[in-house]
Amino acid sequence: AQSVTQLGSHVSVSEGALVLLRCNYSSSVPPYLFWYVQYPNQGLQLLLKYTTGATLVKGINGFEAEFKKSETSFHLTKPSAHMSDAAEYFCAVSDGTGGGADGLTFGKGTHLIIQP
Amino acid sequence: KAGVTQTPRYLIKTRGQQVTLSCSPISGHRSVSWYQQTPGQGLQFLFEYFSETQRNKGNFPGRFSGRQFSNSRSEMNVSTLELGDSALYLCASSASRAGYTFGSGTRLTVV
Repeated sequence: AQSVTQLGSHVSVSEGALVLLRCNYSSSVPPYLFWYVQYPNQGLQLLLKYTTGATLVKGINGFEAEFKKSETSFHLTKPSAHMSDAAEYFCAVSDGTGGGADGLTFGKGTHLIIQP
Repeated sequence: KAGVTQTPRYLIKTRGQQVTLSCSPISGHRSVSWYQQTPGQGLQFLFEYFSETQRNKGNFPGRFSGRQFSNSRSEMNVSTLELGDSALYLCASSASRAGYTFGSGTRLTVV
């Protein structure tokens, strides 16, 4: 069974500072990994994903993440935080052990707070 | 390209009633999956449909059911509503496990 752990339910950074949101996963097969962002009363928006190939993945809004198989991690970073980055962030894994699209397993989420 | 459309956006129901939520996927996507989001449990997988067949189901009671039509639109039904069913219900449309696009969700409040 697959699982996702996001360290820190709340992360607070100053505007302009580095953003680092941590995600570790477990999967019995090579995983597909995702980061989603959710603003209040909205659905989930895809920030970036890792499927195969290059382990450093760049996404929207200046975010990037690196897949590290040896550490079973997929941490999300952004060099300089902006006030508009304040939101809930979810890491998710799909290992498709049933073949095809089998749904996502999500972490509990990290609430990112940006201090002015 | 139209996104994933969920209707209605908001819903208030009374305990014991039943409710049906609708999800129209992106054109060409044959897979629709449903998720329940609550403050306590987070995002939990309900079930996934592919070409009108349920392929996977999460750990939810039988009161939660769904179906998919030949045009890939999907509905989920919750019978005998309980207060704990109050949640944001999200559906996701996908063409493969490499990409899931979410709708804006249906906010269900059970009173």
